[in-house]
Amino acid sequence: DSGVTQTPKHLITATGQRVTLRCSPRSGDLSVYWYQQSLDQGLQFLIQYYNGEERAKGNILERFSAQQFPDLHSELNLSSLELGDSALYFCASSTPGVDYGYTFGSGTRLTVV
Amino acid sequence: GQNIDQPTEMTATEGAIVQINCTYQTSGFNGLFWYQQHAGEAPTFLSYNVLDGLEEKGRFSSFLSRSKGYSYLLLKELQMKDSASYLCAVREATGGSYIPTFGRGTSLIVHP
Repeated sequence: DSGVTQTPKHLITATGQRVTLRCSPRSGDLSVYWYQQSLDQGLQFLIQYYNGEERAKGNILERFSAQQFPDLHSELNLSSLELGDSALYFCASSTPGVDYGYTFGSGTRLTVV
Repeated sequence: GQNIDQPTEMTATEGAIVQINCTYQTSGFNGLFWYQQHAGEAPTFLSYNVLDGLEEKGRFSSFLSRSKGYSYLLLKELQMKDSASYLCAVREATGGSYIPTFGRGTSLIVHP
């Protein structure tokens, strides 16, 4: 157990639908990063939150949004889903000033049918 | 932005040594990471380099040359369980924060 918790582990939904993925960072970590991993693209950075504030944006579609709550858990909302959104979605957390890396959760496998 | 290149696939024999190379181009280098990822699982942290030179951690070592935009991960005494994807990630400044960008990974196959 890495300490980063993601739910659900698997999600199957239809095109056009909306889903919410949840991430609880490791205790003490203030930053949460969301990544999308598909077979042909590798790990793509989506968005980062730090202590409730959006800090950096990557290749995140307008149909996707995220937020970080006061208890530091984060949610990634994916709407108007398309077949191409099928992927593994990971969140990672980090501790400022401690460079032993970013700790990843076990991911949510999203399948859009 | 940055460009990270690593070989797509490598094969090696159990007990041998393998070196996985990573080259990158970035305008604001702030560290290089190596991660191991088994299929369908989370990436797990292996090493971090921010200064030139070699970092050794048991069977795994990582080397960095910032002037050449080059790193390698060295795996010694290979075991079957080392069969996995190895991801090189370069961190650079992105809009006031520091974000690691990952390469596509090198799939290592260890055979008996």
